[in-house]
Amino acid sequence: NAGVMQNPRHLVRRRGQEARLRCSPMKGHSHVYWYRQLPEEGLKFMVYLQKENIIDESGMPKERFSAEFPKEGPSILRIQQVVRGDSAAYFCASSPSGTGGNYGYTFGSGTRLTVV
Amino acid sequence: DQQVKQNSPSLSVQEGRISILNCDYTNSMFDYFLWYKKYPAEGPTFLISISSIKDKNEDGRFTVFLNKSAKHLSLHIVPSQPGDSAVYFCAPAGGTSYGKLTFGQGTILTVHP
Repeated sequence: NAGVMQNPRHLVRRRGQEARLRCSPMKGHSHVYWYRQLPEEGLKFMVYLQKENIIDESGMPKERFSAEFPKEGPSILRIQQVVRGDSAAYFCASSPSGTGGNYGYTFGSGTRLTVV
Repeated sequence: DQQVKQNSPSLSVQEGRISILNCDYTNSMFDYFLWYKKYPAEGPTFLISISSIKDKNEDGRFTVFLNKSAKHLSLHIVPSQPGDSAVYFCAPAGGTSYGKLTFGQGTILTVHP
């Protein structure tokens, strides 16, 4: 009964490279959310996805960032041409549904991205 | 636009005493309020929640109070234990933010033995 699995746990990229962060939701969960935590700040919502659909990407930077949740396989958060300001902890959460009442989110342990 | 504010960056209490963590919000459309606990290098862990139709929810040592008119909620931990030392985040959901959580900045709780 694995929880939300994120990999890698730590990722170091040079400026200009691409970063790919993976998230496998809990079994039975079909909704995935990505959050970013900059140093000394709270978590900020980035994007909400269901299988093959982006539901809400209001928190995604307009350029260089993209996310997908294909029919098969994990959700991927992709950052192209990384800059130092992208250094942060990226957390993925999943839930069995996106509908109201008890938002049963489960978070993964995060991927710590360092851009050098 | 900071919709959720946790004005105390840190709180220090003695073991066995009560810890009170506060959270203020501005979006009256939030309909569910969650508290998460986070240890360093780990993801947030769900602690307790409350629906906007209630004013109190209790789970063991943890109680959350909601004052909708003041747009204020608080988390009470009693008795506090050293293992409670962590960062606590208030995270409302609902309304136009449907499907996502809006996190406060967090409060670092330290419980001294």
